[in-house]
Amino acid sequence: DTAVSQTPKYLVTQMGNDKSIKCEQNLGHDTMYWYKQDSKKFLKIMFSYNNKELIINETVPNRFSPKSPDKAHLNLHINSLELGDSAVYFCASRDRAKETQYFGPGTRLLVL
Amino acid sequence: ILNVEQSPQSLHVQEGDSTNFTCSFPSSNFYALHWYRWETAKSPEALFVMTLNGDEKKKGRISATLNTKEGYSYLYIKGSQPEDSATYLCAFRDPNAGKSTFGDGTTLTVKP
Repeated sequence: DTAVSQTPKYLVTQMGNDKSIKCEQNLGHDTMYWYKQDSKKFLKIMFSYNNKELIINETVPNRFSPKSPDKAHLNLHINSLELGDSAVYFCASRDRAKETQYFGPGTRLLVL
Repeated sequence: ILNVEQSPQSLHVQEGDSTNFTCSFPSSNFYALHWYRWETAKSPEALFVMTLNGDEKKKGRISATLNTKEGYSYLYIKGSQPEDSATYLCAFRDPNAGKSTFGDGTTLTVKP
């Protein structure tokens, strides 16, 4: 069973489109994150949710809107996609007891 | 802004060599430091969580030490193997900010 899953794995789309990436975790964790792997391959936090509530928003353009329908899901919607949005987006959930994050497989977004 | 720095940025060693690299972090208000292993085209996987000054953790040929007073952690790999090739990330947990700040990683390449 996949602990943290993301869909789709690959996403190729045109500039200006709106797209969503979904994340689900079956670990029972309260906290989930979205990270962006930037052009230099560095991992940068975008958002964090705890029990469906937004707790971190790291100066991300408001074209990016996370949504957490329940604590097992954290989706990322991106409006008016730009070329610079091309990246790998990772979802993660955190085990508070073990102080460890578990990452999804990543979604490779390419904006043409 | 928290500074979490890793050095070197990249490292190339021969199979069988032992190697180590460094993660530097703020020495005040320490809570926890994480090490992750990130293979190309995969997602980061947790290696160690370190919480106490002087902690030493070991998993097979990989071990890590922690000095919270001076703000650094070392990751050691004994007898490197090609399958150890990956990017090794450290992450400083800041409970006040509710997030972990990742370093930019050390990319290790082990040549057969």
